[in-house]
Amino acid sequence: GAVVSQHPSRVICKSGTSVKIECRSLDFQATTMFWYRQFPKQSLMLMATSNEGSKATYEQGVEKDKFLINHASLTLSTLTVTSAHPEDSSFYICSAGRPFTGGGNQPQHFGDGTRLSIL
Amino acid sequence: GIQVEQSPPDLILQEGANSTLRCNFSDSVNNLQWFHQNPWGQLINLFYIPSGTKQNGRLSATTVATERYSLLYISSSQTTDSGVYFCAVLMDSSYKLIFGSGTRLLVRP
Repeated sequence: GAVVSQHPSRVICKSGTSVKIECRSLDFQATTMFWYRQFPKQSLMLMATSNEGSKATYEQGVEKDKFLINHASLTLSTLTVTSAHPEDSSFYICSAGRPFTGGGNQPQHFGDGTRLSIL
Repeated sequence: GIQVEQSPPDLILQEGANSTLRCNFSDSVNNLQWFHQNPWGQLINLFYIPSGTKQNGRLSATTVATERYSLLYISSSQTTDSGVYFCAVLMDSSYKLIFGSGTRLLVRP
């Protein structure tokens, strides 16, 4: 159980293109999803918290107009990188979980990530 | 904010060797997760361990929350254990995971 599917796994596109990445919880309802960014040989950095039915909460320094997040249902969150430029090239990974359920928080489960390359 | 430090940053082992990875955190946390990121970038849940000791095959983990550290033990290492090991602490108030900088492990045949 607890499978998170992320699509696409790899994107190569031209500068100026907008790219949408999907994150789906396949076998559970995720009230909260998170989007992370990882540069080569570095750790994961949280970009934003996505709550179903409400606006995303962005971490300091993350441009909300550049990285649009939508969490329209309990099983799907999307990240759209708008007008992508080479500096947006990175590995993006999502996680999903169910905070504060029953006996407490449940562990977060991660998608396989999306490698974005902007030419 | 809370700081999460991992050591060592890099580790090279000969296949069959044992190792211990450490995670220190600067403040009280309610939960902690260990992950293995394989060379393809996939992040695999290893342990969800707020306290105590858990074992799963050749891997085991111990968290001593009162002393703010966690240890990940790898026994009889295999080449497939190579990758980056992250610990991450879960902040209950926000449900955010704060990641350490990772330990990069290479197991040689």
